[in-house]
Amino acid sequence: DIQMTQFPSTLSASVGDRVTITCRASQSISGELAWYQQKPGKAPKVLIYDASSLESGVPSRFSGSRSGTEFTLTISSLQPGDFATYYCQQYNDYSLTFGGGTKVEIK
Amino acid sequence: EVQLVESGGDLVQPGGSLRLSCAASGFTFSDHYMDWVRQAPGKGLEWVGRARNRLHSYSTEYAPSVKGRFTVSRDDSRNSFYLQMNSLQTEDTAVYFCARGAFCTSSRCPGPFDYWGRGTLVTVSS
Repeated sequence: DIQMTQFPSTLSASVGDRVTITCRASQSISGELAWYQQKPGKAPKVLIYDASSLESGVPSRFSGSRSGTEFTLTISSLQPGDFATYYCQQYNDYSLTFGGGTKVEIK
Repeated sequence: EVQLVESGGDLVQPGGSLRLSCAASGFTFSDHYMDWVRQAPGKGLEWVGRARNRLHSYSTEYAPSVKGRFTVSRDDSRNSFYLQMNSLQTEDTAVYFCARGAFCTSSRCPGPFDYWGRGTLVTVSS
């Protein structure tokens, strides 16, 4: 199975900060990766798919990039509603896998 | 409007069985892969299993942690998706989400989960 290593596990930031979350795949997954946002008690919501494509309706402050097997989610200017947990997920392999999650907390 | 509504979650003893259902509406169910994802209390997301669509012979895939114990199935005539869970263990305690996978009309259909249900809680405890 493909392992997804996500870091940091927790991130403290302030409104307006630029935030970066990274996910590293244990082997090549091409660009077949998504990023999700989850708030407490809610289902996850897809933000980015195919590594860098913005899901319809998602604000443009969210962006994704890829360098080989390393993937990055960037929030250009953190907003109050962005404090949540973020997960990466690869869908390249028959067995899908998520990263361990990054909790973005208020500093 | 796309809707996915899970049901069937309950308290069950270790070694027991449970069947979850997911009722889908608002889209052409038969065109999509369907998946189950779970989340243990206070933990991250774990993909459980997938049922592909008719084009791909309704083939299934499972996470190693549930393979041989859980079975996914679907009934396109009822727009419904199921998870049969047998030999349940305490570590299967989680909220189980139904998620819509890729729209698939070709030989390979990678894609994210673009719609999710609210989840149903399964508690395995004596």
